[in-house]
Amino acid sequence: GAVVSQHPSRVICKSGTSVKIECRSLDFQATTMFWYRQFPKQSLMLMATSNEGSKATYEQGVEKDKFLINHASLTLSTLTVTSAHPEDSSFYICSARGSYTGRPSFEQYFGPGTRLTVT
Amino acid sequence: KNQVEQSPQSLIILEGKNCTLQCNYTVSPFSNLRWYKQDTGRGPVSLTIMTFSENTKSNGRYTATLDADTKQSSLHITASQLSDSASYICVVSGWGDMRFGAGTRLTVKP
Repeated sequence: GAVVSQHPSRVICKSGTSVKIECRSLDFQATTMFWYRQFPKQSLMLMATSNEGSKATYEQGVEKDKFLINHASLTLSTLTVTSAHPEDSSFYICSARGSYTGRPSFEQYFGPGTRLTVT
Repeated sequence: KNQVEQSPQSLIILEGKNCTLQCNYTVSPFSNLRWYKQDTGRGPVSLTIMTFSENTKSNGRYTATLDADTKQSSLHITASQLSDSASYICVVSGWGDMRFGAGTRLTVKP
C-alpha cells in the first residue's frame, strides 16, 4: 500500500525554539496533504490542508503564523512549529491524498506521527 | 455536537472473542465512511472504506457494515487477537472534508 513517512518520529525541544516536521509520500504523488494534532486519548484534530504549490488552508483556531506549512512538492510537506511552548506538546500526524494505482483518488494515507515535547 | 459518534468509548474483551463497534453519524451530504485502526503512538491505518452504495466490506477478520438510511456503521472483529488492541476510529466524509469520531479503545486480554 501507499506509504507516508514522517521525520522525526520524536523530538524534544526547548520553549521558544522552532521545530520542523517533514511529511513525505514515498510511492505516490500527494496533491493534498493534511496536518493533524492529537492529544492523549482524543481523536485527530485537523489543523490545516495544503495543496501542492498553494498556501495552506487553516482550520478555525489554528494560528497560521505559529504553525507554518509548506507543500513545495508533490511528495513533501513540512510543518514548522515556531516559538514552541509546552502547550504545543502533542502528537502531530500528517496524511496525504493523491494518485495511487488501483486505489480511489479520495483515499487518504496517514503517516506514523511525530511526538513533540516542548520543555 | 460531534457529527460522528462512536460507542462504546472503550471495550475490554478476552482473546478469541468477537466484538462489534458502533458508529453513528449526521454528516450530510455523505461521500464515504472509513474505519481506521490506530495503535498507541502510531498513525491510523485504514481497515475499510465504503461509499453509500456499499453496505458491507471485509478485510480479514474485520467486517464493516453501513446503513446509509439510518446513518449507522459497525465494525465487527472476529476471533480477536492481542494485536487487535488499539483505538478504532470511524471517519465520515462529506464533499471535501472528513469528520473524525472520538474512537473506541479496544483492549484484548489473554
